[in-house]
Amino acid sequence: DIQMTQSPSSLSVSLGDNVTFTCEASENIYGFLAWYQQKLGKAPKLLIYGATNLEDGVPTRFSGSGSWTNYSLTISSLEPEDIATYYCQNNHVYPLTFGSGTKLEIK
Amino acid sequence: QVQLKESGPGLVQPSQTLSLTCTVSGFSLTSNSVHWVRQPPGKGLEWVGAIWSGGSTDYNSALKSRLSISRDTSKSQVFLKMNSLQTEDTAIYFCTRSDYGGYSEPHWFAYWGQGTLVTVSS
Repeated sequence: DIQMTQSPSSLSVSLGDNVTFTCEASENIYGFLAWYQQKLGKAPKLLIYGATNLEDGVPTRFSGSGSWTNYSLTISSLEPEDIATYYCQNNHVYPLTFGSGTKLEIK
Repeated sequence: QVQLKESGPGLVQPSQTLSLTCTVSGFSLTSNSVHWVRQPPGKGLEWVGAIWSGGSTDYNSALKSRLSISRDTSKSQVFLKMNSLQTEDTAIYFCTRSDYGGYSEPHWFAYWGQGTLVTVSS
């Protein structure tokens, strides 16, 4: 199985900060990478697919980059509603696998 | 609009069988694949398996021996059955829709059900 390693597991941030999450796949996943935001008690929300494509309706302060095994999600100028846990997902090699998540906390 | 909703028992005894239903609307099961994803309380997400638009299925190899996914297209319902449940199967179970219908296509999930908490306990 492809392991998706997210770092850090938690991040203490301030509103207005630029925040970057990283996700490393144990094998090349050829850009088949998605990012999700999950708030407590809710289903995950798709932010990015195909490593760089912004899902409809997602604010443009979210952006994705990366290739091969290394990917990142950046939030430019953190807003209060961005406080959540973020997961990456290998979405083409079976079994589909998720990272363990990065939890954002306010300083 | 696209909607998915899970239903099933909240409590299952150890060694028993879990049966969940995902009722969908706003799309056809013969056009899109439907996947099950679970999340143990306070933990991360795990892909359970999928039923493709053509009706065939694929499962997480870690669960394959205990798992069955099926559907009734006339009722727009997808079913999950998992036997020999253990406490580690306690989780929120989500059904979710892919934009694509086939195995060889990429599967990201823009539409999710609200999830249903299944507790395995005697």
